[in-house]
Amino acid sequence: EVQLLESGGGLVQPGGSLRLSCAASGFTFSSYAMSWVRQAPGKGLEWVSAITDSSGDTYYADSVKGRFAISRDNSKNTLYLQMNRLRADDTAVYYCTKGSSGGRPYYFDFWGQGTLVPVSS
Amino acid sequence: EIVLTQSPDTLSLSPGERATLSCRASQSVGSTNLAWYQQKPGQAPRLLIYGASNRATGIPDRFSGSGSGSDFSLTISRLEPEDFAVYYCQPYGSSRTFGQGTKVEIK
Repeated sequence: EVQLLESGGGLVQPGGSLRLSCAASGFTFSSYAMSWVRQAPGKGLEWVSAITDSSGDTYYADSVKGRFAISRDNSKNTLYLQMNRLRADDTAVYYCTKGSSGGRPYYFDFWGQGTLVPVSS
Repeated sequence: EIVLTQSPDTLSLSPGERATLSCRASQSVGSTNLAWYQQKPGQAPRLLIYGASNRATGIPDRFSGSGSGSDFSLTISRLEPEDFAVYYCQPYGSSRTFGQGTKVEIK
């Protein structure tokens, strides 16, 4: 059974930093692309960042480029999202998602339960 | 960048009725590289349809998808109480953008 368990969310002040983690199990982690998708309160889904399987190529939405960094540790089956210079409009539930393949094109076939990141003073 | 428009924003129907949701892209998404997701309140989204018309594992056959290029639809043949939710489309060929969502609510 595929499981994605996010952690690391919590209240952070504007301008602060936070690192999210996603522990994956139930599949060969190193063979699949992974992504972060977020959802602001009462809003729709926004793709944030993606990383390919073993090659580790990374991609970012314009809204987070230069502030967020996605990475993975295939030896620990864990995905990360380092978030710097956080702004109020980064407030959202952040979902870890598994891609359907190692590289594009892929859809998100499994989702974690999400971790809430409120950015507020 | 591909812009997605889902319609309608809200669909008010009764259990047992048929629901048809539309997803239109500003340009071709590349054949059938389109997915649909369902999200219930307080829950994470889950994959319903991939490749425009393929049901994900465990998805009931009352859900069906169709379309190609830039025009897609999701049909729920007979709404069950658990189907009232928000539905998002997403092209996954050259874009990762989601549509704004269609809420299917109980009339």
